[in-house]
Amino acid sequence: SAVISQKPSRDICQRGTSLTIQCQVDSQVTMMFWYRQQPGQSLTLIATANQGSEATYESGFVIDKFPISRPNLTFSTLTVSNMSPEDSSIYLCSVEEKTDTQYFGPGTRLTVL
Amino acid sequence: SQQGEEDPQALSIQEGENATMNCSYKTSINNLQWYRQNSGRGLVHLILIRSNEREKHSGRLRVTLDTSKKSSSLLITASRAADTASYFCATEVTGGFKTIFGAGTRLFVKA
Repeated sequence: SAVISQKPSRDICQRGTSLTIQCQVDSQVTMMFWYRQQPGQSLTLIATANQGSEATYESGFVIDKFPISRPNLTFSTLTVSNMSPEDSSIYLCSVEEKTDTQYFGPGTRLTVL
Repeated sequence: SQQGEEDPQALSIQEGENATMNCSYKTSINNLQWYRQNSGRGLVHLILIRSNEREKHSGRLRVTLDTSKKSSSLLITASRAADTASYFCATEVTGGFKTIFGAGTRLFVKA
């Protein structure tokens, strides 16, 4: 299975600032996704990160707030912009392998003060 | 929005007992996956069952899928204290690549 790492693992940020989260995979994958998990909740899909084109966002998420880059088949970033305390969550990237199995990174725990 | 619901929301059992968690979903799917999440940590993939499959086993895990009822169940046999975690079902919607998660079941296994 793919090995996925995320940086940073956690951060505490001030409101109004931005944080960029990195996701690195040890193999080339076509499909990469970003999820948010608010405290005590399930995972919500933010967007599908497409290589070579703009990300596809889910309802309720917009590019200005969550810009995503996908420069190659092993790397993606998610930026959480102009943060507010409501953005405090765990952010997870995931990849789908050819077996259709979806694997997740360890997550980035974000606290916004 | 979330694809489906899981029940129960929380389950508390004694070590050695079996634990059954159910997942229902709303639309046609390509496959359904079950994950485990220990408190505040990443998701561990447990098992994938495709829409044309009815049952799969992996160790102490047994997953069933009933596409006519749009439901799945995860059975953990002979539970252990280490099985204490949140369990999520996730469905890949037909016609797309995205995977949508259910609300999850919190399992507590008492030693």
